Amino acid sequence: SQTIHQWPATLVQPVGSPLSLECTVEGTSNPNLYWYRQAAGRGLQLLFYSVGIGQISSEVPQNLSASRPQDRQFILSSKKLLLSDSGFYLCAWDENYGYTFGSGTRLTVV
Amino acid sequence: AQSVSQHNHHVILSEAASLELGCNYSYGGTVNLFWYVQYPGQHLQLLLKYFSGDPLVKGIKGFEAEFIKSKFSFNLRKPSVQWSDTAEYFCAVNPLSGYSTLTFGKGTMLLVSP
Repeated sequence: SQTIHQWPATLVQPVGSPLSLECTVEGTSNPNLYWYRQAAGRGLQLLFYSVGIGQISSEVPQNLSASRPQDRQFILSSKKLLLSDSGFYLCAWDENYGYTFGSGTRLTVV
Repeated sequence: AQSVSQHNHHVILSEAASLELGCNYSYGGTVNLFWYVQYPGQHLQLLLKYFSGDPLVKGIKGFEAEFIKSKFSFNLRKPSVQWSDTAEYFCAVNPLSGYSTLTFGKGTMLLVSP
């Protein structure tokens, strides 16, 4: 069966520090992968999506970047975190037009 | 670009009350529609989805939603809510044109009091 893993579950980072959040998918090949950010009262905002290795589309210009070094791996990064980067980050992959989400990472930038 | 509007940010109901959460989308073409639920401390889960056919779709835990194409709506309903339905509910739309991504509404927080 297909599963999606995200880590870490929670993260507290100082302003200006780098960030790396990892997402991996099991049980499928060549999935479309997505990074969303969930903020209170704002719903889910699509940040990046990827249809294959090395292929990244950015939906919202910001302080973050994404990479897909392997077929089932999707990484969200930042060189220098801002306070406004705090939020709940979700990785997802699509299956029959519906998305399956990971358990998310709660990022707090202090 | 498509957008999704959920009418209520917060809804408070007593157990056994009926529920209807509004969802409207803006997109002129064919779409797939979804409702997701996020229970406290848990990850997003698919509640139900509409692709085609019968516009009244039934999901898990007694939820249903009706797609009304002329109104661009996909409202979520449940005849009698339970305390365990307390959660945040998200409507989402995926247009069927080329490559497209899922767009979510801002969510509705439902609190059911026992």
